[in-house]
Amino acid sequence: DAGITQSPRHKVTETGTPVTLRCHQTENHRYMYWYRQDPGHGLRLIHYSYGVKDTDKGEVSDGYSVSRSKTEDFLLTLESATSSQTSVYFCAISDPEDSYNEQFFGPGTRLTVL
Amino acid sequence: LAKTTQPISMDSYEGQEVNITCSHNNIATNDYITWYQQFPSQGPRFIIQGYKTKVTNEVASLFIPADRKSSTLSLPRVSLSDTAVYYCLRKGGKLIFGQGTELSVKP
Repeated sequence: DAGITQSPRHKVTETGTPVTLRCHQTENHRYMYWYRQDPGHGLRLIHYSYGVKDTDKGEVSDGYSVSRSKTEDFLLTLESATSSQTSVYFCAISDPEDSYNEQFFGPGTRLTVL
Repeated sequence: LAKTTQPISMDSYEGQEVNITCSHNNIATNDYITWYQQFPSQGPRFIIQGYKTKVTNEVASLFIPADRKSSTLSLPRVSLSDTAVYYCLRKGGKLIFGQGTELSVKP
């Protein structure tokens, strides 16, 4: 398995609190992604990064921000969590030099906002 | 609006061939089609990728017709361990996943 870890793996928080999820990789892949997974919606891209300090918005970026100060770490922040952000969050990495630019996914973080 | 749609669920029996079709309207010239498999409490895993015609690897085949408005993942002789959710992904300027097909393989 690709060396991707996510922390925390589970979190319960209250509406209005800030939350930061961390994705850490040991593969030195340039691209990193944050997705959310909800029933009936599959996976939806929140933000992605194509290098240190280079990030861009995905399909469902409202209410989320990201930062990437090092190749190995990609942080997702919910500035003020809402119940609609209850979801499972997946981080992924890929190497654009790879023939398929295949995405490798982390184990996920289950976030519950009460 | 670019959409990627696939059946919500499918049932099959061990040893059968399973075909899961994904529709992708307005597919862009530079979009590739990729399929992923996901087991409960795990992240998705890459199965196969193609652009057009047919691609085959050790676990699956992918058929993409000339108009590229759909793609079909073919799993030969499924087993119980193939029970999972399968996602198609349009990969190009945007990354658009389908909502997933829950495949249940019965003995």
